[in-house]
Amino acid sequence: RKEVEQDPGPFNVPEGATVAFNCTYSNSASQSFFWYRQDCRKEPKLLMSVYSSGNEDGRFTAQLNRASQYISLLIRDSKLSDSATYLCVVNLPYPLKNQGGKLIFGQGTELSVKP
Amino acid sequence: DAEITQSPRHKITETGRQVTLACHQTWNHNNMFWYRQDLGHGLRLIHYSYGVQDTNKGEVSDGYSVSRSNTEDLPLTLESAASSQTSVYFCASSESLGGQETQYFGPGTRLLVL
Repeated sequence: RKEVEQDPGPFNVPEGATVAFNCTYSNSASQSFFWYRQDCRKEPKLLMSVYSSGNEDGRFTAQLNRASQYISLLIRDSKLSDSATYLCVVNLPYPLKNQGGKLIFGQGTELSVKP
Repeated sequence: DAEITQSPRHKITETGRQVTLACHQTWNHNNMFWYRQDLGHGLRLIHYSYGVQDTNKGEVSDGYSVSRSNTEDLPLTLESAASSQTSVYFCASSESLGGQETQYFGPGTRLLVL
């Protein structure tokens, strides 16, 4: 089983649509969760962190269910500029608490928003 | 502004040659990472470092090495390039915040091994 699994996509949606991405992770020790966005042939960039209580940033809403080890990203009112690959990312903590952990990336879900 | 840069941005080399990819960050981050990205595999961790003189192997470290002589740089060396190492390579850095940190990525290096 992959450590982080995402819907393979691609998702092709019209402008204005609502689209949801799902992600599951296998390591229950994971502590931090993120959604990154990657445009074609560019570097990944942080879209938003995901908190247990759920969090929203404009048209984007992220949810975390620790019991089910499930993460989601909801995009409302899709824009053409939302077209990109969305990466679900999970942190595995380093044994020493004062040092950083490792990020495990899902393979990404491609979104294409059409006029 | 602080940033993370990679060089070269594009590289063509031949099998068997040694290649070094540079990564430089000006955030004074302790943590630095090298990933490769291939179709069907997503981003895979090659090597990482949590500080000067510290290096660790990631999941796909065979054929690669790194060294960390200062905070700003983590060069990645392909000891003897192979066609299987044709890929896009991303460097990233982050602060040490006990696992809560965000990683910031460089623009990537596209490597073609002929």
